[in-house]
Amino acid sequence: GDSVTQTEGQVALSEEDFLTIHCNYSASGYPTLFWYVQYPGEGPQLLFRASRDKEKGSSRGFEATYDKGTTSFHLRKASVQESDSAVYYCALSDHTGYQNFYFGKGTSLTVIP
Amino acid sequence: GGIITQTPKFLIGQEGQKLTLKCQQNFNHDTMYWYRQDSGKGLRLIYYSITENDLQKGDLSEGYDASREKKSSFSLTVTSAQKNEMAVFLCASSMGGAGNTEVFFGKGTRLTVV
Repeated sequence: GDSVTQTEGQVALSEEDFLTIHCNYSASGYPTLFWYVQYPGEGPQLLFRASRDKEKGSSRGFEATYDKGTTSFHLRKASVQESDSAVYYCALSDHTGYQNFYFGKGTSLTVIP
Repeated sequence: GGIITQTPKFLIGQEGQKLTLKCQQNFNHDTMYWYRQDSGKGLRLIYYSITENDLQKGDLSEGYDASREKKSSFSLTVTSAQKNEMAVFLCASSMGGAGNTEVFFGKGTRLTVV
C-alpha cells in the first residue's frame, strides 16, 4: 500500500540554521505530495503541495521538489526562525475516488533563539 | 473560507466509558475523516466518510464507531475507553473525488482516560 516515511522524528536548530527534513514515499503512479505544518494547539494546515515530477512547492521560505526518480519530497529552508518551531508532516494523496491521504509520522522542529 | 469545529476540546473519561466526539464543517465538503494523533506515531486514520450516511474503516477502526447523519457533521465514538489512554483526535474534511485537493483539519479533541 501507499506510505510516507519521514526520517527525522525531532530536529533542534539554532536561528538562521539551514533546515532539511527528509520525506520519501511509496505509491503507484503520480500521487500529489504535501507538506503540512502543525503549531501547538492547532490542527495541521497546508504549507504547500506538488503534483508532478520536478515541480517545486514553496511557501513562507520553505520549499520542496517532487522527485519521482528518488521518490522524495524533502523539505528545506535556508534560514529558520524561532517562529518555525512546529511539527511538520509529509503526506501524499493517491487520487482514488475518495481522496485518501497518507501521512508520515511527523517531525518536531525546535528552533532555539 | 470555512471552518471545522470539534467539540469538546478536552474530554476526560473513565475506563470502560463510551465517549462521543463531534465534528462540524461548513466547507460543504463531501469527504470527512477522523484521525488519531499520538506522539511519534503521526496521524492514523480511524474512519472516513465519502458522503452522508457512508462509513469506511481506516487502519485503526477497532474500538471505535462513527456516524455521518448529515453532510456537515461526523461523530466518533470510543466504545470502551482504555485506562491511561491519552491522544488527540483530529477531524478533517476534503472535497473528495480525484484530483489534488487539500484536506482541512479541526483543532482537535484531547482525550484523557483516568
